[in-house]
Amino acid sequence: AQTVTQSQPEMSVQEAETVTLSCTYDTSESDYYLFWYKQPPSRQMILVIRQEAYKQQNATENRFSVNFQKAAKSFSLKISDSQLGDAAMYFCAYRSGNTGNQFYFGTGTSLTVIP
Amino acid sequence: DSGVTQTPKHLITATGQRVTLRCSPRSGDLSVYWYQQSLDQGLQFLIQYYNGEERAKGNILERFSAQQFPDLHSELNLSSLELGDSALYFCASSGGTASRSNYGYTFGSGTRLTVV
Repeated sequence: AQTVTQSQPEMSVQEAETVTLSCTYDTSESDYYLFWYKQPPSRQMILVIRQEAYKQQNATENRFSVNFQKAAKSFSLKISDSQLGDAAMYFCAYRSGNTGNQFYFGTGTSLTVIP
Repeated sequence: DSGVTQTPKHLITATGQRVTLRCSPRSGDLSVYWYQQSLDQGLQFLIQYYNGEERAKGNILERFSAQQFPDLHSELNLSSLELGDSALYFCASSGGTASRSNYGYTFGSGTRLTVV
């Protein structure tokens, strides 16, 4: 089974600053998708950004961008101009493009935004 | 509102009891997935249904079972409940089997189960 590792249980950032959350994964597949989900205190799972492995260009969504290093199996999330509303648990997730729709999630990084 | 509806939002029950969690997928989605999130843990995949049939099974206990009905809603049945079953149970839906045009999930808001 694929594994997803988030090595930073907790991170903090000053409001308006930039923070990068790390994620690595292990797979032997070449076709897959990677995601970052945000889980605020409401516990709702919210899709932040997604990346197709076959695309070399890093995905961006407004203040959120990723650094996808396929050879290194690394998928980090950069949050620019951090806002108080960004405070949440962030989960990295992997989905195979070949063997069904199951997602594999990391254990999460709790992000605190300091005013 | 994500379009995926889970009921109830909260459930408190005693050990040894049985409960049923319900999920209505987003309109048009054929697949339903169940995940368990224990305290301070990531999400663990339990089971997937596609158009009424079981498609994939993860770390689901034998005390747990699920089904998807013709109207595509799904139920997760948890029996002989133990304290360790206390968790947030998420349902998610998507439009079909693996395809490049459909690689995202839509999550419901979860059911918080507390076993006392």
